[in-house]
Parts: sequence; structure tokens; C-alpha cells
Amino acid sequence: KQEVTQIPAALSVPEGENLVLNCSFTDSAIYNLQWFRQDPGKGLTSLLLIQSSQREQTSGRLNASLDKSSGRSTLYIAASQPGDSATYLCAVKKEKDDKIIFGKGTRLHILP
Amino acid sequence: ETGVTQTPRHLVMGMTNKKSLKCEQHLGHNAMYWYKQSAKKPLELMFVYNFKEQTENNSVPSRFSPECPNSSHLFLHLHTLQPEDSALYLCASSQEFDRDTEAFFGQGTRLTVV
Repeated sequence: KQEVTQIPAALSVPEGENLVLNCSFTDSAIYNLQWFRQDPGKGLTSLLLIQSSQREQTSGRLNASLDKSSGRSTLYIAASQPGDSATYLCAVKKEKDDKIIFGKGTRLHILP
Repeated sequence: ETGVTQTPRHLVMGMTNKKSLKCEQHLGHNAMYWYKQSAKKPLELMFVYNFKEQTENNSVPSRFSPECPNSSHLFLHLHTLQPEDSALYLCASSQEFDRDTEAFFGQGTRLTVV
């Protein structure tokens, strides 16, 4: 059974700092890994998609890495801003049955 | 705006009511999903439709009934719900079900069962 774990569950950092969010998954048989952002009471916004054959993806101040064999991904946020405050969700798409499995998320608070 | 639209955004219903949630996408995607998001729990996959055919029912109680009349529309019919069914219901779509493609989510419907 695929399980996705995100650490930490919550994180508060001062504005301007660089930070790393972690995601781990138990079954490496995945098609891709996707990072999402969710603001309170809102839907999910896709941030980055990493294919199973890729090692990393970058978009602006965001960089996501994938180590499929070890079941790990990180989301790096550079020069954090208060507008980055949100919950960040990691999800993997399983090869066996194509389900998209989510972690519980990391609640990020950037202090002005 | 992700291209996936859900209505209504908020819904309050009694346990004896019947209501429906609607999801619409005009992204040309062939796969559509319903997820449930409860407080302090990961998103739970409920149903998956691929080319209008249901390919996954993740042990969801029969008081939730999905309908996919075409690849662009997905409904979730609700009847005799329980208070513990109160949650954020999210719809998603992707280009191909069994391909390495990105999923796009709607804004969700916040459901409260009283």
C-alpha cells in the first residue's frame, strides 16, 4: 500500500529565508510526483510535476527534486515571502492502479 | 483559475436532503476524479472516471452516487448523508488516466451536513 508522508506538519519561518519541505513515499512504482499549494478553504493549485524519469523541476523560486529509488522528494522555496503562506501537498501517481495518493501536507507560515 | 469548475462552492444540507455537486472542465481531459478532504486527514480518493467509465470506487458508501454523462462533466449525487460526511469535496481532471500527466483541481465544494 502506497503511503505518503510529509515532514514537517507545520513550519514557521521569517520572511526572506530559504526553506525545504520533505515528502516520502513507500512504493517507488510511480508515474510522477506532483507538488500542490492549497490556501485555506480553497482548491489545489499545481506547482510542479516531476516525471518518474526526472530528477528535478524548477519554477521561479521553487525547485522540486525526486529520488525515486529512495522514495523521497523535496520542495525548495527560495527567498520566502508572506504570500507563500499556505499548505503544501505532495502527491504520487501509482503505476499499478493510477491512483493519486496524497500526503497530509505541510502548513507553512511566513512571518513578515 | 485551473480550468476545473465546481458548483456550488458551499452547500448546507440536512440528513434527509438530496443534493448534487457538479464539476466541469473544458481542458479536453479524459479522466476525472472525486476526492474528499476532511480536517486533519489526507485527501481521500472516492471515484475515478476514465472516458466516462467508472474505473475506481474506493469503498465509498452508497449514499454517494457519481455520474459522468460526458468527459467534460462529473456529478456527485448525495442523499441521506451523515454529519461526518461534512468536508471539502474536490474534483480533479487529467489528460489521460494511465499516462504520466498532471492533475488539475477545482476550488472544491464545502459541504456541511446538519
